[in-house]
Parts: sequence; structure tokens; C-alpha cells
Amino acid sequence: QGKLVQSGAEVRKPGASVKVSCKASGYSLTDYSMHWVRQAPGQGLEWMGIIDRTDSTTKSAEKFQGRVTMTKDTSTSTFYMELSSLRSEDTAIYYCARDSWGGHPKNWFDRWGQGTLVTVSS
Amino acid sequence: QSVLTQPPSVSGAPGQRVTISCTGTSSNFGAGYNVHWYQQLPETAPKLLIYGNSGRASGVPERFSGSKSGTSATLAITGLQAEDEADYYCQSYDTSLNSWVFGGGTKLTVL
Repeated sequence: QGKLVQSGAEVRKPGASVKVSCKASGYSLTDYSMHWVRQAPGQGLEWMGIIDRTDSTTKSAEKFQGRVTMTKDTSTSTFYMELSSLRSEDTAIYYCARDSWGGHPKNWFDRWGQGTLVTVSS
Repeated sequence: QSVLTQPPSVSGAPGQRVTISCTGTSSNFGAGYNVHWYQQLPETAPKLLIYGNSGRASGVPERFSGSKSGTSATLAITGLQAEDEADYYCQSYDTSLNSWVFGGGTKLTVL
């Protein structure tokens, strides 16, 4: 069925980078693409990007282009999202969310990680 | 400002029926993209509720139903229960932004 377990909370200073991990289990990574979604405190959900299930190509929301890097390690079934040049507005809970299949625009997010709180503060 | 527009809050008494609207545009719903709904209980990750406009995710009670017509979509909850108190988000794909998009979320309060 599939389970996603994310890494623990992180604190970073402005200008630094953070790398969040998402370990998948119970399914094959080549069967499903993976999205990253974030939620600022008290705010709604914001889509960040997707990594393809087969060739690991990525696509990100325009506002994150140049700052976000999404990768995966098939040997450990783990996905990674690295966000650079952090600012206070990046303080949020970051979620990995499994695509319902191959990353088609008509797809949805069928499994979610528990979330990772990233706090950016000087 | 979210691409998909939801009311910030709705409320209802136990046993009642409530609906949550989600209004899109010609670049998402109007372009033929479906709506999906997620429930986020307090302090937890979102959970898939409805997919493909009206399909119920595994384990979701029949009290929850979804529909879409033109550039609008609706989530309906009948027989409201205290455990339904949560935030609800609609989601689709937008061709102008070339990205997956969410509504701003609706907080459901069970009176």
C-alpha cells in the first residue's frame, strides 16, 4: 500500500540550506512519482515540485525554481528535497506526497508523509 | 491568493449536511482537470478524501461525496460528526501556471 516516513525537524539560519528526507516503504519507487508540498504556519498547502518515477526528471513551481533540488536514492527507497537560500518565509512544514501514479497532471496525492518542520531564524 | 477559491469557514450541527465549494477557472477545471479533496485533522498531515471529482478514497465513509460542474466543485458531508471537524482542501492542475494547485482551505466547525 505504501508508507512515507520523513526526517525530523530542522532549524536553519537565513541564507543556509536544508535537506529533508522521505523514506518510502511497501511499494516500488518506479511505480509512483513523488511531490513535495509545504504549509506555512496557519496557512494552506503549497505545491513545490515533483520528481518522476522512472527517469528522476523534476519539475518545480516557478517560485521555487533555482532554489529547490529534488532527488531520490533507489537503493534506500528515499526521496530528498533540498531548499537553498532560506529566508524566514520558508518556515513551514514540508510534506512528501506520493502521486497516484506517474505524475500526470490529472493525478492526485494518495499518500502523505507525516511532515517535517523547518524553522528559519537568526 | 489561491488559484482555487474556497470559503474560509463553514459550520454545522451534528447530523446536518454541509457543503464546501471550490471555484476554479478556465485554466484548471474549465480545461478538463479534475478536482480532488483532502482532509487535514488538527496537527496531522493531509489525507486523501475524494479523487477524480467523486471517487471516495479507501476507508472514507459514504457520508462524504464530491461533484464538479463546469468551473465549480463541491464537497458534501452528510450526517455531520464531531470527528469531521478539520480543514478541507481542494486540488487540481492549472495549465496557465503549469503546476498542481490547491484551494486556500476551508475550516469546518461542528457546533
